[in-house]
Amino acid sequence: NAGVTQTPKFQVLKTGQSMTLQCAQDMNHEYMSWYRQDPGMGLRLIHYSVGAGITDQGEVPNGYNVSRSTTEDFPLRLLSAAPSQTSVYFCASSYDRWGAYGYTFGSGTRLTVV
Amino acid sequence: KQEVTQIPAALSVPEGENLVLNCSFTDSAIYNLQWFRQDPGKGLTSLLLIQSSQREQTSGRLNASLDKSSGRSTLYIAASQPGDSATYLCAVNTGNQFYFGTGTSLTVIP
Repeated sequence: NAGVTQTPKFQVLKTGQSMTLQCAQDMNHEYMSWYRQDPGMGLRLIHYSVGAGITDQGEVPNGYNVSRSTTEDFPLRLLSAAPSQTSVYFCASSYDRWGAYGYTFGSGTRLTVV
Repeated sequence: KQEVTQIPAALSVPEGENLVLNCSFTDSAIYNLQWFRQDPGKGLTSLLLIQSSQREQTSGRLNASLDKSSGRSTLYIAASQPGDSATYLCAVNTGNQFYFGTGTSLTVIP
């Protein structure tokens, strides 16, 4: 089925560890993005990409890195995990940056940093 | 910065009732607005997408309206059912990203 696939679904990290959250889409969407969702704060944009080789920062980029080597994949890297990064992470994609046909979301990665 | 507000934060209604969820945004320079549904512990499911040039969109028992000049959108749910219980999020696209509200948690009581 066409859509956005995120792995893993759950992860527990120790403070200081690093990891990569994977995101892949098979809809040939140019635009991909990462959001984090925290209670009472809504979804906030971490990083986004408007095409392969092009990335930019969102509202809350500190502590995260991204790259976009292919149209399909947009991994999110946590360099040195901190308890403040405990959150639910969502990857989203769309045909273009203006969301002309709407956004499609993955099912999320629930991350706990202890 | 765009601010999106959803009122009420929580709503409980008996089954069969018609209801309205509200969304307001501070900057009217948007490309489109999208309503999502989120079930507990799950991802976001798109319900309706309204382009900035449109006034409303309908899908089944759902109708969403957009008044861009006043910075408001409403989601109307007709004949509510227990399966409609979820959190409803609105998001506005200003180019490069969606800004989200914090959602309305809806409970439909059988």
